[in-house]
Amino acid sequence: NAGVTQTPKFRILKIGQSMTLQCTQDMNHNYMYWYRQDPGMGLKLIYYSVGAGITDKGEVPNGYNVSRSTTEDFPLRLELAAPSQTSVYFCATKAPQGFSNYGYTFGSGTRLTVV
Amino acid sequence: GQQVMQIPQYQHVQEGEDFTTYCNSSTTLSNIQWYKQRPGGHPVFLIQLVKSGEVKKQKRLTFQFGEAKKNSSLHITATQTTDVGTYFCAAGAGSYQLTFGKGTKLSVIP
Repeated sequence: NAGVTQTPKFRILKIGQSMTLQCTQDMNHNYMYWYRQDPGMGLKLIYYSVGAGITDKGEVPNGYNVSRSTTEDFPLRLELAAPSQTSVYFCATKAPQGFSNYGYTFGSGTRLTVV
Repeated sequence: GQQVMQIPQYQHVQEGEDFTTYCNSSTTLSNIQWYKQRPGGHPVFLIQLVKSGEVKKQKRLTFQFGEAKKNSSLHITATQTTDVGTYFCAAGAGSYQLTFGKGTKLSVIP
């Protein structure tokens, strides 16, 4: 049981390049989230999904896209990378209601630098 | 959108001293969660509070939810070097989204 797996762990992109951050979970959780974390700024929600085929924007969606074709996978796409997208990206899942632990389970993160 | 204010931003304590971080919201919350993030790591869920005035303990950690469900606190008794990290509160307001505070970074001086 791996939980939430994110790849890659580190990446350096040049301005204007594109990439996909991968997130896979084996917990069978319906809810999945993408957050970015900038130093001293906490976690900002980029996109979230309540189930396969359903996605919605969070607080800071500009410059990103997501898809959710399966319960397990929730990739985050960066098109035309900009220096402002330098950050640490976390994927998270949430257990459904009725479970004693309602907390989010986070992946280990992807540290992205855009130069 | 909903905002959650967390104070202090930083706290340096001598090992063995107590530590408290506070979380405040302008709106009534359906629940509040607390997370710990070690340096270079990812947030790890600690606890969820749901009821007005609720108090929960985990060993040296005490979590409180205010009577009006607009504020919460995390208190660590007799800090240890293993407590180092950033502590986040995350507020839920009835939806399946959480709004995270900016966190309190705790340093423990041995």
